[in-house]
Formats: sequence, structure tokens, C-alpha cells
Amino acid sequence: DVKVTQSSRYLVKRTGEKVFLECVQDMDHENMFWYRQDPGLGLRLIYFSYDVKMKEKGDIPEGYSVSREKKERFSLILESASTNQTSMYLCASSPLPSTIYFGEGSWLTVV
Amino acid sequence: AQSVTQPDIHITVSEGASLELRCNYSYGATPYLFWYVQSPGQGLQLLLKYFSGDTLVQGIKGFEAEFKRSQSSFNLRKPSVHWSDAAEYFCAVGARVGGTSYGKLTFGQGTILTVHP
Repeated sequence: DVKVTQSSRYLVKRTGEKVFLECVQDMDHENMFWYRQDPGLGLRLIYFSYDVKMKEKGDIPEGYSVSREKKERFSLILESASTNQTSMYLCASSPLPSTIYFGEGSWLTVV
Repeated sequence: AQSVTQPDIHITVSEGASLELRCNYSYGATPYLFWYVQSPGQGLQLLLKYFSGDTLVQGIKGFEAEFKRSQSSFNLRKPSVHWSDAAEYFCAVGARVGGTSYGKLTFGQGTILTVHP
């Protein structure tokens, strides 16, 4: 089975803190994604990467950055967390070209 | 740009009843369509997908979906719902990224399914 692992399931951070969300996949997939999920809005794409050190903005990249130094790892960074970034964050990966597989999600609360 | 609409925010059915969840999409080319299910506190699990070919697609857990190009729809169906089907369901349309992948999914708002015993 494909496994996408998000190391932190629940985080509470203070406004202005720098936050790292880590994601690792074990299937050598080329593509990795970060989505944000909010009630009534579905999932919205923040950033994606189709190769090591490559990244592309999604639909809502403002306030976020990403890093992909190794194929299996894709990090989402909140440079200065704000309360409107309180949300559930979902990492995903996919081979070329095929289905996306999702991790279990990271619940982030910014206070 | 692609978009997906799930008109029903919340649906309630009785166990054993049939189910249909609606999904309408907007996409300029041949769409690549997906249905995912999410149980509370969990990630998303793929139910089924349509890339090409037969417009009636079979998925896991007894679900099926039918692609109707003329109606821009990809409705999810199940003939007899079980209590364990209670969850949130998301329809998504995929777009090419990096020239090859269909991973840039655009999701609908989701439909919450409640199952009464």
C-alpha cells in the first residue's frame, strides 16, 4: 500500500511563529502536494512539486512556502503563522500520471 | 480554470436505501474525475476514478459513478447504503501538471452523508 505520512497530526502554535509541516511518501512518487481543507470550502491546493527542488504555486500560496530537497519529503512552511491559517493540512503524492494518495492530515491551530 | 460543484451539502438516508451524490464539473478539456471519501479525522480515500473508456465506473465498497459529458456530471451511486458509509464525500476534477500528471485536483465543497438505522 502507498503510505503518505504526516509526522505531526495535531499542532498548536502562536501567532508569528514559524511552522514546519513535514510529509514523507514511501513509493518513489514524482509528484507531491499540499492542500488545505476548511469546512464548506473543500480542499484547496497550496503548492505542489513534480520533481526534487521544483515547486509550483497552487491556488492559495500566500503566506506559505515549500521545500523539496529529497524526492520522498515535501515540507510546508508557514513563515509567520496567523490565526487565519488555522486549518487541516493534507499532504498527497502521486506517480506519473495517476491517482493522488493522501496522508491523514495535520490539524494546525494558531492562537 | 476547472471547477466542481456538489449541490448537496448534507444528505440523510436510511440504512439499506439507495444513494446518489451529485457532482457537476467545468473543465475545458476531457476531464479526469475522482470521488474520494473522508471519515472524521482521517485523510481522503479514493473510491473511484474516471480517465477514459467506459463511462460507468466501478469503485470500492460497492460504489459506482457515471460520467455524462452532455450534462457535465459525475454522480456517485450505491444501491444499498450501510451505516459505515457515513462520511464526507468529495468529487474532484484533475488537471495536468508538469506536462504529465493529473494531480492538480480541484475539489467540490463536499457532501456529508448521514445514515439512519
